[in-house]
Amino acid sequence: QLQLQESGPGLVKPSQTLSLTCTVSGGSIRSGSFYWSWIRQPAGKGLEWIGRIYTSGSTDYNPSLRSRGTISLDTSKNQFSLNLRSVTAADTAVYYCVREGVAAPALIWGQGTMVTVSS
Amino acid sequence: EIVLTQSPGTLSLSPGERATLSCGASLSVGSSYLAWYQQKPGLAPRLLIYDGSKRAVGIPDRFSASGSGTDFTLTITRLEPEDFAVYYCQQYSNSPRTFGQGTKVEIK
Repeated sequence: QLQLQESGPGLVKPSQTLSLTCTVSGGSIRSGSFYWSWIRQPAGKGLEWIGRIYTSGSTDYNPSLRSRGTISLDTSKNQFSLNLRSVTAADTAVYYCVREGVAAPALIWGQGTMVTVSS
Repeated sequence: EIVLTQSPGTLSLSPGERATLSCGASLSVGSSYLAWYQQKPGLAPRLLIYDGSKRAVGIPDRFSASGSGTDFTLTITRLEPEDFAVYYCQQYSNSPRTFGQGTKVEIK
């Protein structure tokens, strides 16, 4: 059974880079036609789709990030990562890594990791 | 970007009652690529419905959904205690994939 687990610092200073990793277990990140994606949720608020990377390595981001985000794959470690540059308090949220289908929504979610942006 | 608007914001109902949640899209959602998720406090969302009306594996048949184009509906025929949660719609026909702001179904 495929499982996703987020990891990374829980606290990031303003203007720095938020870096998170999602470890995939129970299956290969290279198999099938899937998007490996990030979604976030500020406390008490709704869900925001951040972006995705395809198994081929192509990426797609939410324009709301204003080009601050980079998602990458590390197939040797069966992981994918999110880097979000120049963070502010508005980036404080629970970050989820998910697997989405090409023409399908996110069925598999990580448990989420809370990231706070504060000095 | 397709903006999704959910209504109502909060639905106050009793167990056994019927819940009807709406999701309106600012542009037509191609191929009815619309999903519904349920989220309980402290947990990741759980996929209930995909492709507008198809139940995900393991989802009870009291959950049903319909719609096409710009108007979609999720119905819970008889609310069970475990159904009180927040529900989100999401479109996945266009990038960026967008979510509605959520409807909270609370116990009356």
